[in-house]
This record gives sequence, structure tokens and C-alpha cells, in this order.
Amino acid sequence: GQQVMQIPQYQHVQEGEDFTTYCNSSTTLSNIQWYKQRPGGHPVFLIQLVKSGEVKKQKRLTFQFGEAKKNSSLHITATQTTDVGTYFCAEGSSNTGKLIFGQGTTLQVKP
Amino acid sequence: SQTIHQWPATLVQPVGSPLSLECTVEGTSNPNLYWYRQAAGRGLQLLFYSVGIGQISSEVPQNLSASRPQDRQFILSSKKLLLSDSGFYLCAWSVFETQYFGPGTRLLVL
Repeated sequence: GQQVMQIPQYQHVQEGEDFTTYCNSSTTLSNIQWYKQRPGGHPVFLIQLVKSGEVKKQKRLTFQFGEAKKNSSLHITATQTTDVGTYFCAEGSSNTGKLIFGQGTTLQVKP
Repeated sequence: SQTIHQWPATLVQPVGSPLSLECTVEGTSNPNLYWYRQAAGRGLQLLFYSVGIGQISSEVPQNLSASRPQDRQFILSSKKLLLSDSGFYLCAWSVFETQYFGPGTRLLVL
């Protein structure tokens, strides 16, 4: 079945360094969503990308959707300790609303 | 605004005991509802989803069942818990494609 692969699984960075997580699919994605889960918390929706080549920014976060709609990335500039958590990408189904989640990337930030 | 509630927040149950987790949504009508399980340090596994009252789709064969007796109520149940049922259970709702998660229930089966 459809799979969304996400790398890396873990990333440790020094505060102030940049961070990127990548999401890849072997088939064309209808859309890509990004969620953040803080330690001990629940996933929270960050953004949805729909168009080929789309780029969206939220403060220090930059989200990209590939031209072929088979990959996506989330880039955080100058990480802060508040960025700690697990970032998930997911493809959404317009019929059922079901999400196919990537495995997540857990970010640790050293102060 | 919409809110989603789950209870209990934490639960410790012995192997073989029954389970009932409840999820309710406020502020929206006819939402799609979902149950996920997340093992410690792992990703999200979709267990069940529902597009309407009494309509349940199971994603993986398992020891659990789900029911939707009312439009905004989703219940996860088990007749006899297994050790492997331990985890973080998350309920979510959606109207379009974005999902909104509840606070979750941490279940430990001993």
C-alpha cells in the first residue's frame, strides 16, 4: 500500500543550528500535511501543502512540496529549545480524511 | 470553536480485563473520527475510522473494537486486554483533510 517514508528518525542539534526533515513517496501525493508532537503531548497540525512546488513559511519554519509531488521537507532555521518534539508528515485522503503518516523525525535541541 | 475530549487521561489495567476509552467532539457536526495507537517512541498506527454513526472501518486486525453510538462520540473497547495493547491512544476528528487530535489516553497493561 501507499507508504510515506520520513528521514532521519532522530536528529540532535545545538541550539541555533538549522534542522531539516524529509518525506518521500514512490507515488504522487495528493497533498502533504505536517504535524508536531511535543514530548508527552498529542500531534498538532502545522500546515498543508497541495500544489506542486509549493513553499510556505511559518516564522522560522519553511515547508516545501516537490515539483513532482513525491517529496516534501520541513526546514527549521536557527533552532530553539521550543522546537523539541517529533515532526510527522502525512498524506491526506480527500475521500475518507484518513492520513498516512511517515514514521516521524524526533528533534532534540541542546541549549 | 471545536474541542475534542478523551478520558481517562491515564489507565493501568491488568491483562485480561476489559477496556473502554471514550472520545467526544464539540462544536462540529458529522465529523470523521479516528482512533490511533502510538507505542513509546514510535509513529502513529491508525486503528479505526468512522465517517458516520454506526459506520466503523477497521485498519488492522487486533484485539480491539470501536463503536460510534452518537455523531460526536467514538468509543474504543476490548473484552480482554493483552500486554501488547499498552500504548498511547489518540482520538482525532476531521471535516476535510486536516485532523485534530485529542489529548490522548496512556494505557499500561500489566
